[in-house]
Amino acid sequence: QSLLTQPPSVSGAPGQRVTISCSGGTSYIENNGVNWYQQLPGKAPKLLIYYDDLLPSGVSDRFSGSKSGTSASLAISGLQSEDEAHYYCALWDDSLNGWVFGGGTKLTVL
Amino acid sequence: QVQLQESGPALVKPSETLSLTCTVSGGSINSHYWSWIRQPPGKGLEWIGYVYYRGTTRYSPAFTSRVSISLDTSNNQFSLRLTSTTAADTAVYYCARDGRAAAGIDSWGRGTLVAVSS
Repeated sequence: QSLLTQPPSVSGAPGQRVTISCSGGTSYIENNGVNWYQQLPGKAPKLLIYYDDLLPSGVSDRFSGSKSGTSASLAISGLQSEDEAHYYCALWDDSLNGWVFGGGTKLTVL
Repeated sequence: QVQLQESGPALVKPSETLSLTCTVSGGSINSHYWSWIRQPPGKGLEWIGYVYYRGTTRYSPAFTSRVSISLDTSNNQFSLRLTSTTAADTAVYYCARDGRAAAGIDSWGRGTLVAVSS
């Protein structure tokens, strides 16, 4: 059982905006930076967002991250068929001095 | 652009030691943190641990009693050893460059599937 909870699945139509949530215990997300990873079928994960809302070079600005209280969110705007993938949130836990991953969310583009 | 490639046996017998090597190209291993992450079939990601280029290691509590990660700076490689394996250790194992909180896990290998089976 992960300390970070994600919905198992979300879906949206092409062109729509979808959000994926990542929730943790009191102060857990508040006090630690959240990353988001995209894993296309059969591929390695790819960093989409780091430190809550920063985009690595080369990542489309259709992806954005935010955080409020005990939850973080990944938003994908202008949904495209190639966005169909699993998405994972992850948090660097200073007390653990290591990574904690959410259980993952499968995004289906209708 | 740094690239990472995992290598090692695809099949390990139960109770034996799983050993994998990650070769880093396009950049020096003498900086950053270097992590191993695994993904059991059909399941999510699990962080195993990291080694810092200066040799410091840190392991997930789930693995700490049977894991070691080491560096080979002369060959620009780092390695994973996982002892006392069971079928539950069957997974795709990824090596990755780890920027920790400041930068995330920003480069990943393609992953290698290791099955633990007799």
